[in-house]
Amino acid sequence: EAQVTQNPRYLITVTGKKLTVTCSQNMNHEYMSWYRQDPGLGLRQIYYSMNVEVTDKGDVPEGYKVSRKEKRNFPLILESPSPNQTSLYFCASTGTGGLGYTFGSGTRLTVV
Amino acid sequence: SQKIEQNSEALNIQEGKTATLTCNYTNYSPAYLQWYRQDPGRGPVFLLLIRENEKEKRKERLKVTFDTTLKQSLFHITASQPADSATYLCALFNQAGTALIFGKGTTLSVSS
Repeated sequence: EAQVTQNPRYLITVTGKKLTVTCSQNMNHEYMSWYRQDPGLGLRQIYYSMNVEVTDKGDVPEGYKVSRKEKRNFPLILESPSPNQTSLYFCASTGTGGLGYTFGSGTRLTVV
Repeated sequence: SQKIEQNSEALNIQEGKTATLTCNYTNYSPAYLQWYRQDPGRGPVFLLLIRENEKEKRKERLKVTFDTTLKQSLFHITASQPADSATYLCALFNQAGTALIFGKGTTLSVSS
């Protein structure tokens, strides 16, 4: 089944404790992206990657890092999480032409 | 700046009626527009894409129109069912083509 897999589904952590949210896709897609979704603000792009070793900032990149060492994986790293990063996070991918994104099931992160 | 507006935050209709959702955009010249469905706490699911040279597109009970003069898309669900209750998002690529920008969505509730 074609899918984007995110882990973990839920995560509660403390301020300052580094964490990684994993994202993997099995569709051989070139393009991958991370979004966060907050009430009243909608979906906002954090980082994106056009292909292996090619990443760039989206609209809200502060406090996040990404890497794209393999085509299928695009982890999101929070080096020192803060409470304002409490949110619902989605990874998405699409093939050439960007026609229709496939989203993961989401990671609900709480930073206390 | 580029903006996408979905005029209604919420729409309540009775089962069997046609739901019509609106998406307006400014400062864009998109080649195509996309619609997604999102259930609470889940990732958006791609529904339909319509290109600028297509006035209308249909998929089962769904119909999308795209008026580039009015800068508006209408999304219709005919013979609506309670299972259609969800948030519907429209989306366009930004000018650089690097990010899919989403409207904040319209939450549709279909009552039986």
